[in-house]
Amino acid sequence: DGGITQSPKYLFRKEGQNVTLSCEQNLNHDAMYWYRQDPGQGLRLIYYSQIVNDFQKGDIAEGYSVSREKKESFPLTVTSAQKNPTAFYLCASSIYGQGSGNTIYFGEGSWLTVV
Amino acid sequence: QQPVQSPQAVILREGEDAVINCSSSKALYSVHWYRQKHGEAPVFLMILLKGGEQKGHEKISASFNEKKQQSSLYLTASQLSYSGTYFCGTEISTNFGNEKLTFGTGTRLTIIP
Repeated sequence: DGGITQSPKYLFRKEGQNVTLSCEQNLNHDAMYWYRQDPGQGLRLIYYSQIVNDFQKGDIAEGYSVSREKKESFPLTVTSAQKNPTAFYLCASSIYGQGSGNTIYFGEGSWLTVV
Repeated sequence: QQPVQSPQAVILREGEDAVINCSSSKALYSVHWYRQKHGEAPVFLMILLKGGEQKGHEKISASFNEKKQQSSLYLTASQLSYSGTYFCGTEISTNFGNEKLTFGTGTRLTIIP
């Protein structure tokens, strides 16, 4: 089945550690995204990529980094510079980039908690 | 530019109707509607593009009023499964092209038996 796979579902991070969230899609979509969701809040864009080897910062990129070496993969690293990383992280993809009326499809999400 | 959703929360009895609004202060190119259950991925409901006014099927539909820069989601004869948080996302139309999708803060819908 086609879809977006995120892993792990639950992750605990100690203060000062970097952690990486995985996102893989087999939909052959060009564009991929990372969103952060805090309790009772909407979805805020962290980073997005419209093509391999290229990505742009979203609204809240500080303390995060990404790579797009393959079309199917868009991992997100939460660095120690992110002071409040506890949140629900959603990876998404669309056929083409944003601003073109394309539907964005989401993965199942990853819960990150700082301990 | 984040769209504004209203109401923030609503509680309905099964079988009642609901309307959720999404408005923008800027000209819109598209409006996207999603439903999310707690701890799960948002599920795509429908997208309305500039020039299109209404979409959906009998029970869940939406309208797009370009002049007012707003969209409304209509839930008819609500079912328990309709419970969740509804998000609208908007792409703003500018002279330089369309801006990226921005989501509202959501409307929490609770359906009780």
